[in-house]
Amino acid sequence: SQQGEEDPQALSIQEGENATMNCSYKTSINNLQWYRQNSGRGLVHLILIRSNEREKHSGRLRVTLDTSKKSSSLLITASRAADTASYFCATDGIQGAQKLVFGQGTRLTINP
Amino acid sequence: DAGVIQSPRHEVTEMGQEVTLRCKPISGHDYLFWYRQTMMRGLELLIYFNNNVPIDDSGMPEDRFSAKMPNASFSTLKIQPSEPRDSAVYFCASSLSLGIGYTFGSGTRLTVV
Repeated sequence: SQQGEEDPQALSIQEGENATMNCSYKTSINNLQWYRQNSGRGLVHLILIRSNEREKHSGRLRVTLDTSKKSSSLLITASRAADTASYFCATDGIQGAQKLVFGQGTRLTINP
Repeated sequence: DAGVIQSPRHEVTEMGQEVTLRCKPISGHDYLFWYRQTMMRGLELLIYFNNNVPIDDSGMPEDRFSAKMPNASFSTLKIQPSEPRDSAVYFCASSLSLGIGYTFGSGTRLTVV
């Protein structure tokens, strides 16, 4: 079964606005990662946050992690048309196995 | 580095035929993963290797699927015989270790008719 569940499934905003995507998971994790997938392409690793971290930044990306609520959020500030893509969270550490399990993703559309 | 290289990019085959997907990981990466992506099931981990040894193949759907890694620079995923429900995008990814980000290839879009 899927470990991470993204919310919303789809998000459409205007260029320049901020986009927030959420991810919930079910079991204890070692770390949580966010990936981007442009249409017809492979996934690109964006950022990794460890279970003992609460917030992490990378350029226009801000990720938070709340292990008590088993949830994470990805914030993209000052969105651009090029940010249009699907975004996936992925977790590892399920029942001792360290393989990475992906959620279903959020489809983000940035309107010019 | 050219990244993770997969071939072919697209494959259309008839039901019952054998299909072989290929992957060249990034040099020096000790881990190689095969994922399958469909609209219904999302991204599923099929199998992963560490230092060319299969570690976890619990995601391989059935005996029709097999994967090999004869050396550190090459892996194959074979489906024999193929069925229409195998139609999906198959991704290969590699990483230096577990617990860090993976580098994905561009994928192979498989269509079984």
